[in-house]
Amino acid sequence: AQSVAQPEDQVNVAEGNPLTVKCTYSVSGNPYLFWYVQYPNRGLQFLLKYITGDNLVKGSYGFEAEFNKSQTSFHLKKPSALVSDSALYFCAAFSGTYKYIFGTGTRLKVLA
Amino acid sequence: EAGVTQFPSHSVIEKGQTVTLRCDPISGHDNLYWYRRVMGKEIKFLLHFVKESKQDESGMPNNRFLAERTGGTYSTLKVQPAELEDSGVYFCASSQTTGTGYGYTFGSGTRLTVV
Repeated sequence: AQSVAQPEDQVNVAEGNPLTVKCTYSVSGNPYLFWYVQYPNRGLQFLLKYITGDNLVKGSYGFEAEFNKSQTSFHLKKPSALVSDSALYFCAAFSGTYKYIFGTGTRLKVLA
Repeated sequence: EAGVTQFPSHSVIEKGQTVTLRCDPISGHDNLYWYRRVMGKEIKFLLHFVKESKQDESGMPNNRFLAERTGGTYSTLKVQPAELEDSGVYFCASSQTTGTGYGYTFGSGTRLTVV
């Protein structure tokens, strides 16, 4: 079965430090890959996507993600975390079946 | 531009009762999707409307779930009768096009608790 894995339920990082939220995928073909963020009482907001091309993609709020085809990974990164980055982050793959395959989500907590 | 609106934001019902969730997509978006996140698990696809037609309902859990989109505007998702395992957050999304996953707008979700 096709799946997206986010191995960490929660990631804690100090403000100003770099952060990484991990994602690996097991999806046939060449899926499009996405990161979404959910702030409290808000909808899922698009952060960034990888379709093709450069393996490092940049998105909203200073986030970036690195695509690694050999490791089937798409880790989310930010050089310097802010307290306001604290939220629930979802990695997702979009395949030819025209539906998202989401991971279980990772709660990011940035400590002041 | 108004976003995707879902209501109610929260609903607590007893097992065996009926609940109806509503989603108002962005005006002009022909594609409307329902997804669900059961506590702590992944967000899973339920179904996809193109205008008023069900394009794909392969993710609907069972026949206690009924989705409609009369007139191709807003959509409702009815659960009848509700069971404990139906608890979770139900997300609606809409898009103008489909095929790439880009351009989807998600609503803030309806948190359903069945007790």
